[in-house]
Amino acid sequence: DTGVSQDPRHKITKRGQNVTFRCDPISEHNRLYWYRQTLGQGPEFLTYFQNEAQLEKSRLLSDRFSAERPKGSFSTLEIQRTEQGDSAMYLCASSARLAGVFYNEQFFGPGTRLTVL
Amino acid sequence: RKEVEQDPGPFNVPEGATVAFNCTYSNSASQSFFWYRQDCRKEPKLLMSVYSSGNEDGRFTAQLNRASQYISLLIRDSKLSDSATYLCVVDTGFQKLVFGTGTRLLVSP
Repeated sequence: DTGVSQDPRHKITKRGQNVTFRCDPISEHNRLYWYRQTLGQGPEFLTYFQNEAQLEKSRLLSDRFSAERPKGSFSTLEIQRTEQGDSAMYLCASSARLAGVFYNEQFFGPGTRLTVL
Repeated sequence: RKEVEQDPGPFNVPEGATVAFNCTYSNSASQSFFWYRQDCRKEPKLLMSVYSSGNEDGRFTAQLNRASQYISLLIRDSKLSDSATYLCVVDTGFQKLVFGTGTRLLVSP
């Protein structure tokens, strides 16, 4: 499968615990995005990387959230001291930045569903 | 006010019907517009881009009115397999997609 992959697919944790999610983008894609989706809502942008550089972070991303993409390939999203309000689907997407192309389609992974008890 | 607004539905239509979804956006600097489809408990997938001149892909037609900041999607001859949530999406120019809440479509036999 050459699509975007995410691990784990489901995570149940207790309030106050730390969790880490992984995203593997499509191999030739240099842009990687994280979104969060709650029930009945569309995905909300969290942050994005071009190669290993984190270029933008949403105000939704509190200090408890950190994302990395150390070698410009896979990315991790860590949530520290989880709260019940963090329960959501965390989606990763990737795209290729092609010269001369105004918009490059973002391909989404299957998501990691987080439940905080 | 939300940046992208959609009627959440659900829209219940019989097979073969024509159904239209509308969406408005607030950022006049938005540069690219899309409709994504999301099946239950699955990831969003690009359905089609939306151009000012209007564009068609089989049974699907998308329209953009920049002056009114309005986007539409028309589905003709609805199929059972069209049942899904349709997300109106705007790119403000920084590769950050802004999604509407989605409009749920249920096509019944």
